[in-house]
Amino acid sequence: AQSVTQLGSHVSVSEGALVLLRCNYSSSVPPYLFWYVQYPNQGLQLLLKYTTGATLVKGINGFEAEFKKSETSFHLTKPSAHMSDAAEYFCAVTPNQAGTALIFGKGTTLSVSS
Amino acid sequence: DADVTQTPRNRITKTGKRIMLECSQTKGHDRMYWYRQDPGLGLRLIYYSFDVKDINKGEISDGYSVSRQAQAKFSLSLESAIPNQTALYFCATSDAERVYEQYFGPGTRLTVT
Repeated sequence: AQSVTQLGSHVSVSEGALVLLRCNYSSSVPPYLFWYVQYPNQGLQLLLKYTTGATLVKGINGFEAEFKKSETSFHLTKPSAHMSDAAEYFCAVTPNQAGTALIFGKGTTLSVSS
Repeated sequence: DADVTQTPRNRITKTGKRIMLECSQTKGHDRMYWYRQDPGLGLRLIYYSFDVKDINKGEISDGYSVSRQAQAKFSLSLESAIPNQTALYFCATSDAERVYEQYFGPGTRLTVT
């Protein structure tokens, strides 16, 4: 069975500071990993994904994440936070097989203060 | 126009009532999903459909049913609503080649009193 654990339900940073949102996964097969973002009163949108190949993946709005198999982690980072980054972020996993839906973590709310 | 639409956007209903949430998409995707979002619990999969004739239960299907009326339409029904079904419901779609890249609707906020 697969699962995702997001460490920290709420993260607060100052504008311009590093953003680090943590995600650990459990999977019996090589996983596909994703980060989705949900802005207030909106649906989720894909931020970035790891399937195969390069373990450092870049997404929209300056975010990136690194797949570390040895640590079973897929942490999301951004060098400098903007006020517009305030949102809820979800890590998700799916096995690399066709026909399986996403399993989401519980989410991390990012607050950015000026 | 939005690619994935959900109606209604907000609904308040009473315990025991039957209610249907509707989802339509213009992306041409084969696969459609219904999720439920509760604070602190993330999104949990209720049902998913790979095509009109293929419907599958998700993690929390009890108390819910679905209908895939056409490739573009996927409805979620609560046969007899109960208060703990109060939640934010999302529909999503994906194509068969990139199943993991899901596109979400704006959500339906359902309150059962």
